Amino acid sequence: AQSVTQLGSHVSVSEGALVLLRCNYSSSVPPYLFWYVQYPNQGLQLLLKYTSAATLVKGINGFEAEFKKSETSFHLTKPSAHMSDAAEYFCAVSDRGNQAGTALIFGKGTTLSVSS
Amino acid sequence: DGGITQSPKYLFRKEGQNVTLSCEQNLNHDAMYWYRQDPGQGLRLIYYSQIVNDFQKGDIAEGYSVSREKKESFPLTVTSAQKNPTAFYLCASRTSGGPVTDTQYFGPGTRLTVL
Repeated sequence: AQSVTQLGSHVSVSEGALVLLRCNYSSSVPPYLFWYVQYPNQGLQLLLKYTSAATLVKGINGFEAEFKKSETSFHLTKPSAHMSDAAEYFCAVSDRGNQAGTALIFGKGTTLSVSS
Repeated sequence: DGGITQSPKYLFRKEGQNVTLSCEQNLNHDAMYWYRQDPGQGLRLIYYSQIVNDFQKGDIAEGYSVSREKKESFPLTVTSAQKNPTAFYLCASRTSGGPVTDTQYFGPGTRLTVL
């Protein structure tokens, strides 16, 4: 069975600092992994996804994530935080690994705060 | 302009009443999903449908019902049997180009409050 654990429900950084949001997964098959962002009272927007083509995945808004099989991790990073990055971030895994999935299994989310 | 629409954005219901949340997509996606979001719990799958006239229960289907009579529409009914319905409800649809391109896209959500 697939599962996702996001370490840290709340992360605070200063504007211009490195952003690191942690995600570890458990999967019985090679996984497809996703990061989504949610602004208050809005739906989720896809930031990036890993589908085994490359271990370093670049997404929108300057975010990227690296798939590390040995660590079962898919941490999200951004070199320099902007105030507009303040939001909730969700890591997710496809419930059928790298087969055509039927649904996503989500972590509990990490709220990112950015201070000036 | 393609996308997923959910209505209403805010919904208030009295205890004991059924209420239906609308979800429409014009992306020509076959698969559609309903998730429930509660603070600190992430998103949990209620129901999903991979094709018209077919749907499956997710992890927390009790107290909910759905229909899929048209490809574009996947309404969710929150029945009086749902003990704690106050939550943020998100509808999603998924591309079907194959495993590499499959991606779920989300609507803006409906916030349901039971009074």
